[in-house]
Amino acid sequence: DAGVTQSPTHLIKTRGQQVTLRCSPISGHKSVSWYQQVLGQGPQFIFQYYEKEERGRGNFPDRFSARQFPNYSSELNVNALLLGDSALYLCASSLYTGSTYEQYFGPGTRLTVT
Amino acid sequence: GQQLNQSPQSMFIQEGEDVSMNCTSSSIFNTWLWYKQDPGEGPVLLIALYKAGELTSNGRLTAQFGITRKDSFLNISASIPSDVGIYFCAGRGGATNKLIFGTGTLLAVQP
Repeated sequence: DAGVTQSPTHLIKTRGQQVTLRCSPISGHKSVSWYQQVLGQGPQFIFQYYEKEERGRGNFPDRFSARQFPNYSSELNVNALLLGDSALYLCASSLYTGSTYEQYFGPGTRLTVT
Repeated sequence: GQQLNQSPQSMFIQEGEDVSMNCTSSSIFNTWLWYKQDPGEGPVLLIALYKAGELTSNGRLTAQFGITRKDSFLNISASIPSDVGIYFCAGRGGATNKLIFGTGTLLAVQP
């Protein structure tokens, strides 16, 4: 079975530009969460989407936005990029039902802002 | 951003040795997860814990959900070179799927 897929793998942008990252969850999973991982630190929660609705938001500015599509795939958008946005962006897929809250991560998108 | 306290920060051991690491929080969690991350890749789920006091094994890995619900422990027995990587704990406390991650433990295994 295919795991979580993310695209693109790597991305280089300049300050002020906008970027869109994409994620496809594991088949059957209806929840997608986005995390930012700065070098040397653990991932930080950005958003959770379940059944196309935002269910949680981390402490990130409004420049960060996301959405989930009817096929449960998701996009993360970041506007007006800053140098500090350089990080590995991770997407996590989950069933999010009953007592199951395990999250499975994709390989990530490495964003470099110059 | 918020991170859980994870110790030790790094470990350098010989192949065959056992390893222990722990994670502590000031908040109560309903779920504890342990992940391993290799350089340039996403975290891989190792063990999930859902009940206080729960002890769960996955091969040579054993993890425990602390009774206070504010801590968790991971043990690796008979380490091998492929155990090298960064180990993260993560806790989930609310109605969302928000995970709060630990600071990570870097494990190096010398053959």
